[in-house]
Amino acid sequence: DVKVTQSSRYLVKRTGEKVFLECVQDMDHENMFWYRQDPGLGLRLIYFSYDVKMKEKGDIPEGYSVSREKKERFSLILESASTNQTSMYLCASSFYRSEQFFGPGTRLTVL
Amino acid sequence: TQLLEQSPQFLSIQEGENLTVYCNSSSVFSSLQWYRQEPGEGPVLLVTVVTGGEVKKLKRLTFQFGDARKDSSLHITAAQPGDTGLYLCAGHRDDKIIFGKGTRLHILP
Repeated sequence: DVKVTQSSRYLVKRTGEKVFLECVQDMDHENMFWYRQDPGLGLRLIYFSYDVKMKEKGDIPEGYSVSREKKERFSLILESASTNQTSMYLCASSFYRSEQFFGPGTRLTVL
Repeated sequence: TQLLEQSPQFLSIQEGENLTVYCNSSSVFSSLQWYRQEPGEGPVLLVTVVTGGEVKKLKRLTFQFGDARKDSSLHITAAQPGDTGLYLCAGHRDDKIIFGKGTRLHILP
């Protein structure tokens, strides 16, 4: 079974802090994705990567950056957290670009 | 903007009843996925449909892809409390994935 793990299930940070969200997959997938999920807005794509060292902006990249130094690891960085970045963050990986396997999510609260 | 509209947004029914939820678009998709998400967890892939008119069954769940590959439905027979969750559809087109906002299903025991 594909396993996607995220570094934290719950995280509380203060405005202005730098936040790192880590995601690791164990199935040698080339494609990895970061989404945020908010009530009424659904899943929104922040960044994605189709290969190591490669990254592409999704629909809402502002305020975020990513890093993919190794194939299995895709990190989301909030350079200076703000209250409007309070959300559920979901990482996903895929072999085919269509079928995605999600991690359990990180519920981030920015105070 | 390509949209996937899911209906209904919310559905609350008694255990044992049948139900159908829908996923509609004006765009044609190469494939379409259905996911179920439980509270506090990530979505879990249930099925992929690829061919127009395709029907797939997963125990009491029946998934159908529209003939024109623009829409899909999920039918649940004899719903059980364990079916409770958020059902998401996602369409794959031009190397992009479009997610619907989901149908939140609650099965009352």
